[in-house]
Amino acid sequence: EPEVTQTPSHQVTQMGQEVILRCVPISNHLYFYWYRQILGQKVEFLVSFYNNEISEKSEIFDDQFSVERPDGSNFTLKIRSTKLEDSAMYFCASRWERGDRRETQYFGPGTRLLVL
Amino acid sequence: GENVEQHPSTLSVQEGDSAVIKCTYSDSASNYFPWYKQELGKGPQLIIDIRSNVGEKKDQRIAVTLNKTAKHFSLHITETQPEDSAVYFCAASTGFQKLVFGTGTRLLVSP
Repeated sequence: EPEVTQTPSHQVTQMGQEVILRCVPISNHLYFYWYRQILGQKVEFLVSFYNNEISEKSEIFDDQFSVERPDGSNFTLKIRSTKLEDSAMYFCASRWERGDRRETQYFGPGTRLLVL
Repeated sequence: GENVEQHPSTLSVQEGDSAVIKCTYSDSASNYFPWYKQELGKGPQLIIDIRSNVGEKKDQRIAVTLNKTAKHFSLHITETQPEDSAVYFCAASTGFQKLVFGTGTRLLVSP
């Protein structure tokens, strides 16, 4: 069964450093998302991406964040200058849509980011 | 924007009992309501979903009900098993776009 994959599974970084989290969505999906989950809290929406542009972003997704689809398979989230409060689990999700047919979002296993 | 409330935060049941988790949402434009199961260290896994044109949906031991007037929806798990132990999240969405999640329910099924 196709699945969303994410790398790395864990990332430890120093405050102020840049990190790039990588995702490979399901191959025929066209809508991509990033969510984060601070330990013990609910999953929060960060950004949605379609047709090579951001379609929606949350208040969390400030100028320190950016997303990119550098090729036909990868979808990345970059945090330019990490802060302690960026420590969280980051989930990538993707979904399929064609015409009136839409399916739900499928989530990857996540990247646990720890900022020291 | 949309706000989703979820109760209870923890739920302990004996194996074989039923479990019910309830969610309310605020935005009447929301029309899609998935439920996700999250096991320790893993991403959310869809277990069942319901669209606003349906009042109830069932898949084996799992069912979801939706009351659009009251803006609430519930997850029902019957004949619970220890492997049902996990954190369950409800979510709401308009047009399958961004998901707004509830705060989660930790379900513990004791043998």
